[in-house]
Amino acid sequence: QVQLVQSGAEVKKPGESVKVSCKASGNSFTSYYVHWVRQAPGQGLEWVGIINPTGGTTSYAQKFQGRVTMTRDTSARTVYMELYSLRSDDTAVYYCARDLGGSQLDPFAVWGQGTLVIVSS
Amino acid sequence: EIVLTQSPGTLSLSPGERATLSCRASQSVSSNYLAWYQQKPGQAPRLVIYGASSRATGIPDRFSGSGSGTDFTLTISRLEPEDFAVYYCQQYGTSLYTFGQGTKLEIK
Repeated sequence: QVQLVQSGAEVKKPGESVKVSCKASGNSFTSYYVHWVRQAPGQGLEWVGIINPTGGTTSYAQKFQGRVTMTRDTSARTVYMELYSLRSDDTAVYYCARDLGGSQLDPFAVWGQGTLVIVSS
Repeated sequence: EIVLTQSPGTLSLSPGERATLSCRASQSVSSNYLAWYQQKPGQAPRLVIYGASSRATGIPDRFSGSGSGTDFTLTISRLEPEDFAVYYCQQYGTSLYTFGQGTKLEIK
């Protein structure tokens, strides 16, 4: 049973950066795409971007382009999301999620537990 | 970008009743790449339905999905206490994955 385990909560000041990790258990780390989704307090789900752990290629929602970077460490079976120039409205729970069957045209089948990022002066 | 609009915003029902949740897309969702997720307070979302009508692993058969093109429905035939949650639809047929705003299913 594949699991995704995320790093712990973070408190940052406006203008700072945050890097959240997502470690996959089990094998086949490079067989699935990993997405990042965020959820502001009391709000809905918002897609941030996707990384292909095999080649490291990425695609980001236009809203976050230039302010987010997703990377991976295949030996550590870990993907990372770094968000820069944080603002108060970046306060949210950030989830990583793995696709169902190894395709970008797959739903999000396995989710991490979420990482709360609080941005406050 | 495909905008998904869910209705109603809140649905108040009793255990044993039938729930019908709607998701309407601003343009046709290719190949019915439409999923439904369940989210309970303090938990990550859980995949319920994908491909508009296929149940995810471990999802009971009281959950069913239907629809095509721009109109999709999630039906829960007989509500159990554990079904009360927020449900989101999502389209994953384009590289701009989008979610609906959610329907809160609450106990009446």
